[in-house]
Amino acid sequence: AQSVTQLGSHVSVSEGALVLLRCNYSSSVPPYLFWYVQYPNQGLQLLLKYTSAATLVKGINGFEAEFKKSETSFHLTKPSAHMSDAAEYFCAVSTGNQFYFGTGTSLTVIP
Amino acid sequence: EAQVTQNPRYLITVTGKKLTVTCSQNMNHEYMSWYRQDPGLGLRQIYYSMNVEVTDKGDVPEGYKVSRKEKRNFPLILESPSPNQTSLYFCASSLSVGAAEAFFGQGTRLTVV
Repeated sequence: AQSVTQLGSHVSVSEGALVLLRCNYSSSVPPYLFWYVQYPNQGLQLLLKYTSAATLVKGINGFEAEFKKSETSFHLTKPSAHMSDAAEYFCAVSTGNQFYFGTGTSLTVIP
Repeated sequence: EAQVTQNPRYLITVTGKKLTVTCSQNMNHEYMSWYRQDPGLGLRQIYYSMNVEVTDKGDVPEGYKVSRKEKRNFPLILESPSPNQTSLYFCASSLSVGAAEAFFGQGTRLTVV
């Protein structure tokens, strides 16, 4: 079975500081990898996805993620946090016929 | 507007009373799926459908049923709800599984008392 591990269920950063949300996956073959964001009382929205075209993936709202096969990681970063980035972030893997999500990281941005 | 529509958004019901949560998408997507979201557990896939009349179990299918009679609709049925099915449910659709982006509904918050 596939698994997705997100280290840190809660992350707090100051406005303007670097955002780093960690994701590791287990897969015997390179999977498709995604980051989704969930704002309060809403469904999930795609931030970015890795499909093997490039290891550094740029997404919406200034977010990017780097696929590192040797570390089986797909960490999400943003150089400068904004108050509007406060949300829950989910890393996900697609392999076989299913999607597998991590347990989520709640990001708080401190003014 | 491309969207996935779930109804109802909120539902409180009693143990054992059958209920259906509807899901409809207007993007002609092949793949549809249901998830439940619980604190500390993230999203877990309940059932998925690769196409009309093709459904399969996800990771937590016990106590749920689905059907896919039309491409656009994928209802979730709880024949005899129990309190441990109290959760936030999401329907999602995508062109296919794999690299395709999943589009999510707004969610249905279900409470079973």
